[in-house]
Amino acid sequence: GAGVSQSPRYKVAKRGQDVALRCDPISGHVSLFWYQQALGQGPEFLTYFQNEAQLDKSGLPSDRFFAERPEGSVSTLKIQRTQQEDSAVYLCASSLLQGAATEAFFGQGTRLTVV
Amino acid sequence: AQSVTQLDSQVPVFEEAPVELRCNYSSSVSVYLFWYVQYPNQGLQLLLKYLSGSTLVESINGFEAEFNKSQTSFHLRKPSVHISDTAEYFCAVSGSTGFQKLVFGTGTRLLVSP
Repeated sequence: GAGVSQSPRYKVAKRGQDVALRCDPISGHVSLFWYQQALGQGPEFLTYFQNEAQLDKSGLPSDRFFAERPEGSVSTLKIQRTQQEDSAVYLCASSLLQGAATEAFFGQGTRLTVV
Repeated sequence: AQSVTQLDSQVPVFEEAPVELRCNYSSSVSVYLFWYVQYPNQGLQLLLKYLSGSTLVESINGFEAEFNKSQTSFHLRKPSVHISDTAEYFCAVSGSTGFQKLVFGTGTRLLVSP
């Protein structure tokens, strides 16, 4: 596709349930990022991939959060045993290169509601 | 580490009036600065960025921002706004080395009314 695609767009999970959020980056983009945006806040960095390598996962809030990008394209963010504080919009972004100056393109996000 | 402050959560303005959205940052290293816009039901879109060189940067739709190192600011301005400019605007900063790890402000909602 022409842009970054995320699915599902909306997800309602019962507390304690596991969820998986998918990101299809722009084809050929080396870098992939996940951000978490709580209501009324700006996005916060979760993790970064360069191709299939996860180079920074310092923003993952707990060991219940896990991300992968096994073939260097599609990425999945998994949240185990969801809790109410996990409710947020999860944004994926990709960029062609790895440098700080390279433009990042964002998907529309997945809105996760934990009930 | 970097941080960004957007003091105004909401800015109401009339169509064709000028507007300024404020952004201040802090960082111990050299930075790149960005403004992103989020229209209703859409993803974040890059509006403009400062990497180096001229401190005044412009977007294709009439916005401009000026990097002021001494005041650690990167305010966004437009001399005459349109209804279609109604959106959420996020200021962001990243270090100038390594990968682009964006630190965002909390956003400013620009509300343009006729």
